[in-house]
Amino acid sequence: AQSVTQLGSHVSVSEGALVLLRCNYSSSVPPYLFWYVQYPNQGLQLLLKYTTGATLVKGINGFEAEFKKSETSFHLTKPSAHMSDAAEYFCAMMDSSYKLIFGSGTRLLVRP
Amino acid sequence: EPEVTQTPSHQVTQMGQEVILRCVPISNHLYFYWYRQILGQKVEFLVSFYNNEISEKSEIFDDQFSVERPDGSNFTLKIRSTKLEDSAMYFCASSRPFDYEQYFGPGTRLTVT
Repeated sequence: AQSVTQLGSHVSVSEGALVLLRCNYSSSVPPYLFWYVQYPNQGLQLLLKYTTGATLVKGINGFEAEFKKSETSFHLTKPSAHMSDAAEYFCAMMDSSYKLIFGSGTRLLVRP
Repeated sequence: EPEVTQTPSHQVTQMGQEVILRCVPISNHLYFYWYRQILGQKVEFLVSFYNNEISEKSEIFDDQFSVERPDGSNFTLKIRSTKLEDSAMYFCASSRPFDYEQYFGPGTRLTVT
């Protein structure tokens, strides 16, 4: 069965520090992978997506993610955290019927 | 920039009552979805809708749930007889043909008492 696992329900970093949010997937077919961000009282906003081609994908707000098939991972990174990055981040995978399978989410806290 | 809208933002209802959650997808989108997130849990797929019919539904989407696109702009989720366990945030999403990106609305928080 296809699934998405996010390690760490909460991640806390200092402003200016590296952000690393982990996502692993399980799929028997090449996956389409996504990272969404949810700010308080708002909907899910797409940060970036991997479908085919380059395995390092760049998204909005300075985030990027690398698809590593050998590790079944799609970790999200940002070199320098900003206070405005504090939000909940969801990794998701699209299955063959175009529905999204979500991980359980990681809440990013940014300390001043 | 076009966006998906949902109303109401918060709905409180009593157990056994019917509720209708409304969504206005982006105008040139043809695929529509409902997801829900119970507090503290994952976002879960409920149903997808295309060409005026359900494409796929999850096991959560039982006979108490129905979806409709009544007027070509709104997309609704009806729960016929709400249960306490239906309390959740409900997200609507839409996408263009042949596009993998789903655009989400801000959600409706449903509280069943």
